[in-house]
Amino acid sequence: DAGITQSPRYKITETGRQVTLMCHQTWSHSYMFWYRQDLGHGLRLIYYSAAADITDKGEVPDGYVVSRSKTENFPLTLESATRSQTSVYFCASENQRDRGSYGYTFGSGTRLTVV
Amino acid sequence: GEDVEQSLFLSVREGDSSVINCTYTDSSSTYLYWYKQEPGAGLQLLTYIFSNMDMKQDQRLTVLLNKKDKHLSLRIADTQTGDSAIYFCAERGSNYKLTFGKGTLLTVNP
Repeated sequence: DAGITQSPRYKITETGRQVTLMCHQTWSHSYMFWYRQDLGHGLRLIYYSAAADITDKGEVPDGYVVSRSKTENFPLTLESATRSQTSVYFCASENQRDRGSYGYTFGSGTRLTVV
Repeated sequence: GEDVEQSLFLSVREGDSSVINCTYTDSSSTYLYWYKQEPGAGLQLLTYIFSNMDMKQDQRLTVLLNKKDKHLSLRIADTQTGDSAIYFCAERGSNYKLTFGKGTLLTVNP
């Protein structure tokens, strides 16, 4: 199916564990983004990537690691999960040539709970 | 720096018009967007406006842009219960990335 998919949809993990959230897009969009959404904070950018093997920090990168070995995948890893990382995580993508009217396309999100 | 502000809550009666307001700070913004987020879902692009436009109408949606005051609004005519959602304003600033507001929760009462 064409689009941007995130997995898993829901995840419960324990404090201190490593957890990886997956994001896959089928359009070969060059730009990909990871956001977290929390009540009172709206959307905050964690990391973004302009192309394969090019990543950069966003507003709240601490405690997270990303990689982008292939254009279509952009996994987000929490190295040692903390309760403050309980959140809903959204992945988004954008084609460099469409940096105008189309905006970002978002996945359905992963709800992560750290206990 | 870039900042986007919007009120957090709006409650309207079914059939009335809803107006959601947004202010932004980046005077070099090229595009401004409205996204809709339904419960348990991701953000969906509703509409956008290019910065050299004052108004854009798309069926029940009207976007007004006052570039001088850096003010953007979204009007939803004949609001329905299915319009209940969180609405995000976003601007594309000089760094080409989108900056989002915190979202306005629209509640439509029957």
